[in-house]
Amino acid sequence: GAVVSQHPSWVICKSGTSVKIECRSLDFQATTMFWYRQFPKQSLMLMATSNEGSKATYEQGVEKDKFLINHASLTLSTLTVTSAHPEDSSFYICSARDRRDGVLYGYTFGSGTRLTVV
Amino acid sequence: KNEVEQSPQNLTAQEGEFITINCSYSVGISALHWLQQHPGGGIVSLFMLSSGKKKHGRLIATINIQEKHSSLHITASHPRDSAVYICAVRSFSNDYKLSFGAGTTVTVRA
Repeated sequence: GAVVSQHPSWVICKSGTSVKIECRSLDFQATTMFWYRQFPKQSLMLMATSNEGSKATYEQGVEKDKFLINHASLTLSTLTVTSAHPEDSSFYICSARDRRDGVLYGYTFGSGTRLTVV
Repeated sequence: KNEVEQSPQNLTAQEGEFITINCSYSVGISALHWLQQHPGGGIVSLFMLSSGKKKHGRLIATINIQEKHSSLHITASHPRDSAVYICAVRSFSNDYKLSFGAGTTVTVRA
């Protein structure tokens, strides 16, 4: 089945630095990638939707200058947390629509990245 | 009120027991998804369904479109089934994004 590889699995960074998270679709073309944030004991919160070759669409309340999303190819989308602060510490996870030959098979999720800003 | 409501919030079962998780939603949907999130955080898509019933191994998912209700059943539960199970829907008005329930934490004791 479709696989989305997300790296890194966890990262600790200093306050003020930037962190890049990558999501790659391994055996299918992900024209659309969704980026979520999850706080402990809470459900997934959609941050933004990225489409290959165009600007990402951010959800209300999500700072686009802080959470930079790039979807330059059909198999790679990146989320960069810029000037990270401790309140950005969270679990970030990406998801892609597994759509092949016009048929939607479902959504495939990355394994997530646990970001800790110290 | 959330578009997607799950119950129970938490569930503890003994190994071998039959488990049912319920999901109700308030919007017209194109599909409903059941997801499994393990303690490490990774999410696995279990089912995508728009009608009837699907079965995969010991997992069974059913949906009643008229009643806007879905259930996920785990037969002969095992400690490795311990996870958070999340119901998510794609609405007609936004066939693109998923709306998530709060999740049901399932603990299966040996």
